[in-house]
Amino acid sequence: NAGVMQNPRHLVRRRGQEARLRCSPMKGHSHVYWYRQLPEEGLKFMVYLQKENIIDESGMPKERFSAEFPKEGPSILRIQQVVRGDSAAYFCASSPVSENTGELFFGEGSRLTVL
Amino acid sequence: GESVGLHLPTLSVQEGDNSIINCAYSNSASDYFIWYKQESGKGPQFIIDIRSNMDKRQGQRVTVLLNKTVKHLSLQIAATQPGDSAVYFCAENPVSGYSTLTFGKGTMLLVSP
Repeated sequence: NAGVMQNPRHLVRRRGQEARLRCSPMKGHSHVYWYRQLPEEGLKFMVYLQKENIIDESGMPKERFSAEFPKEGPSILRIQQVVRGDSAAYFCASSPVSENTGELFFGEGSRLTVL
Repeated sequence: GESVGLHLPTLSVQEGDNSIINCAYSNSASDYFIWYKQESGKGPQFIIDIRSNMDKRQGQRVTVLLNKTVKHLSLQIAATQPGDSAVYFCAENPVSGYSTLTFGKGTMLLVSP
């Protein structure tokens, strides 16, 4: 029973390039969350998606960042024209239903380094 | 703005001791409070949660206490083991219906054999 799968685990980009991070939720989960973690910080909510719908993107920067969760395939977090401040660990989490207890299943994260 | 924070950045204990990790929160409207454990290089792992209408909840070797009067949350780990060494985050869920969690900065727990 595979958990939340994220790839790549590590990604290096130069300033101005694009970064694409992928997340496959746990089997049977249709709710996906993306969080960002800066070094020695807690995680910060970015976006909550269900299949083909963005439910809450209140934590997403207004520019350069986008997310999708298509009907088929993984959820994608896309960062265009990356800057050094985008260097962080990006975690995806999933849940089977829309719930507010806070029990999420996290992946191992994708660590983005911007040179 | 609203925030969740921790009092101690690092807690060192001996194996077998009980550990207490504390957390202060400021959003009195939060419905759930949660503790996560994060081992080095891994994603956070859910430990236990507590609803705002409760003041204590117990799990296996862990207990979470919620004091709404002083907006304080704590995680107690009984008979701490080396495998408990990790960073522990408290989080609160201010929005009903789904989990847009607000995390604190974390406390590193170091357990010596």
